[in-house]
Amino acid sequence: DAGVIQSPRHEVTEMGQEVTLRCKPISGHNSLFWYRQTMMRGLELLIYFNNNVPIDDSGMPEDRFSAKMPNASFSTLKIQPSEPRDSAVYFCASSEGGPAARAFFGQGTRLTVV
Amino acid sequence: DAKTTQPPSMDCAEGRAANLPCNHSTISGNEYVYWYRQIHSQGPQYIIHGLKNNETNEMASLIITEDRKSSTLILPHATLRDTAVYYCIVLSSNDYKLSFGAGTTVTVRA
Repeated sequence: DAGVIQSPRHEVTEMGQEVTLRCKPISGHNSLFWYRQTMMRGLELLIYFNNNVPIDDSGMPEDRFSAKMPNASFSTLKIQPSEPRDSAVYFCASSEGGPAARAFFGQGTRLTVV
Repeated sequence: DAKTTQPPSMDCAEGRAANLPCNHSTISGNEYVYWYRQIHSQGPQYIIHGLKNNETNEMASLIITEDRKSSTLILPHATLRDTAVYYCIVLSSNDYKLSFGAGTTVTVRA
């Protein structure tokens, strides 16, 4: 298996623009997570899906952020409009089985908003 | 409120065993100890987890004290590629949120 695949790997955008990050989880995994990593705050959970349904979105910073999982093999994280403080590395992870199952992380998308 | 305490950094000689400590004195009976690591510019990588008994896999060994208040991750023969930030995480069987603290930055030196 190719693991969790994220695209793009790097994104540079101007403030105010819409940004869409993409994730393909490992086939057969029924849980998907979006994390954000910054120097100041470390790794933070943004949203958790189970069987394509959002279970916990309490980590989503504000209404500018939205996430979807239209099917078991694809998820998006959208920021509209983007702001410089959104600059971070965004990781997608997936896992199988129960909530405490081991998570597999993608390589991340490094987002820079200028 | 941090559930785990780890030293901020440690050095290890290549080829030697690396012993990474973690304190989790408030751990509950249904909480597991998980270890992940993050190599520079990569996503976190699962290493091992355990509940009570010691565990071993192809990457590492996990030693949990009898009172479960602390544990040690052992990398038996550290290589330069093991240089990373190592995270000790306590997670209950019905929880899903991995809370990554500051971790231990391990530097393996030739």
